[in-house]
Amino acid sequence: ELKVEQNPLFLSMQEGKNYTIYCNYSTTSDRLYWYRQDPGKSLESLFVLLSNGAVKQEGRLMASLDTKARLSTLHITAAVHDLSATYFCAVDQDPSGGGADGLTFGKGTHLIIQP
Amino acid sequence: NAGVTQTPKFQVLKTGQSMTLQCAQDMNHNSMYWYRQDPGMGLRLIYYSASEGTTDKGEVPNGYNVSRLNKREFSLRLESAAPSQTSVYFCASRSGTSGFNEQFFGPGTRLTVL
Repeated sequence: ELKVEQNPLFLSMQEGKNYTIYCNYSTTSDRLYWYRQDPGKSLESLFVLLSNGAVKQEGRLMASLDTKARLSTLHITAAVHDLSATYFCAVDQDPSGGGADGLTFGKGTHLIIQP
Repeated sequence: NAGVTQTPKFQVLKTGQSMTLQCAQDMNHNSMYWYRQDPGMGLRLIYYSASEGTTDKGEVPNGYNVSRLNKREFSLRLESAAPSQTSVYFCASRSGTSGFNEQFFGPGTRLTVL
């Protein structure tokens, strides 16, 4: 059974601080997805990591993928209130990643950034 | 481009009633998906359609049926709703080919079964 585990599941932090969200998965997939969800809203794609060692950055968020460790991280630098949201990682149910199978999601990290 | 659209946005049913959730995408994607989201559970795959004319079960298919009406539309039907089906339902689509192949999500349908 494919498992995707995120930690922490809940994170409260102050503006200006740095923190990292971790995503462990059990498949041999070499791609991983990060999504953001605001309360009551849909999921918005943040990053698609396509291979081992992939690193992507957008503003204060940086995601990386280590397929050998089956680990992805989402790092937040100098957090601001607007980054408060729930963040999900997900992997393809088909490890080849190029197909049409669905995604398996982690349970999400609920992030609150306080002034 | 509207992306992925879903109707209705909200629905309240009584136990035993039936309903169909509609989903359409205008991105010419091959693959479409239905997920449900429950508090603390992340998203779980109900059914998917890899291409027009095919459908397959996901992790939690019991109590649901689907129809891939054409390349654009993928509907989810609850034949006899149960309180355990109270959830937020998301439809998604993706190209199903190589490359980024990320899934794009609709706005969701909030369903309450009394």
